Amino acid sequence: GAVVSQHPSWVICKSGTSVKIECRSLDFQATTMFWYRQFPKQSLMLMATSNEGSKATYEQGVEKDKFLINHASLTLSTLTVTSAHPEDSSFYICSARGYSGSPDTQYFGPGTRLTVL
Amino acid sequence: SQQGEEDPQALSIQEGENATMNCSYKTSINNLQWYRQNSGRGLVHLILIRSNEREKHSGRLRVTLDTSKKSSSLLITASRAADTASYFCATDALAQKLVFGQGTRLTINP
Repeated sequence: GAVVSQHPSWVICKSGTSVKIECRSLDFQATTMFWYRQFPKQSLMLMATSNEGSKATYEQGVEKDKFLINHASLTLSTLTVTSAHPEDSSFYICSARGYSGSPDTQYFGPGTRLTVL
Repeated sequence: SQQGEEDPQALSIQEGENATMNCSYKTSINNLQWYRQNSGRGLVHLILIRSNEREKHSGRLRVTLDTSKKSSSLLITASRAADTASYFCATDALAQKLVFGQGTRLTINP
């Protein structure tokens, strides 16, 4: 149980375009979802926390107008990278916490690799 | 900001040997968690240890937590080639969001 999926698994786009990444909790309701980014050979950096039906809380230094997060339902959160540039190329990982297993455990998606040309 | 510092950054051992990774953190925590990440993949949750626990086992994994020193260690016994991965500690404080350490890249040589 407690599976989180992400779509797409990888995406290549041109500079200036917007890219949407979906994060779904498949078999549980996620009250809270988290978005991380990870550069090669580095750790995960939390970008934002989203609760269903409310605005996301962004970490310091993360541009909320550039990284739009929508947590529309208890099983779906989306991250839209607007006007993407090469420096936005990264591995984006979502996680979910909710009514499954231990309430302290976050379940991670497989990640989405974004490459901006 | 990153809270956890992991040591060593990279570790290479022979198959069958034990691997020990350490994690230090700065603030009070509710729990500390260890994750594994294979190259270019998502994270796999390994073990969670609460602030009132000192040691926890799961299969070949042993985790210790010393809240007085704000440190934790992950021991993998009888390592296997499949254990090759990056290992991250993550602390869960009052804000209930995970803060990850820098990670240890573990290589098991056959």
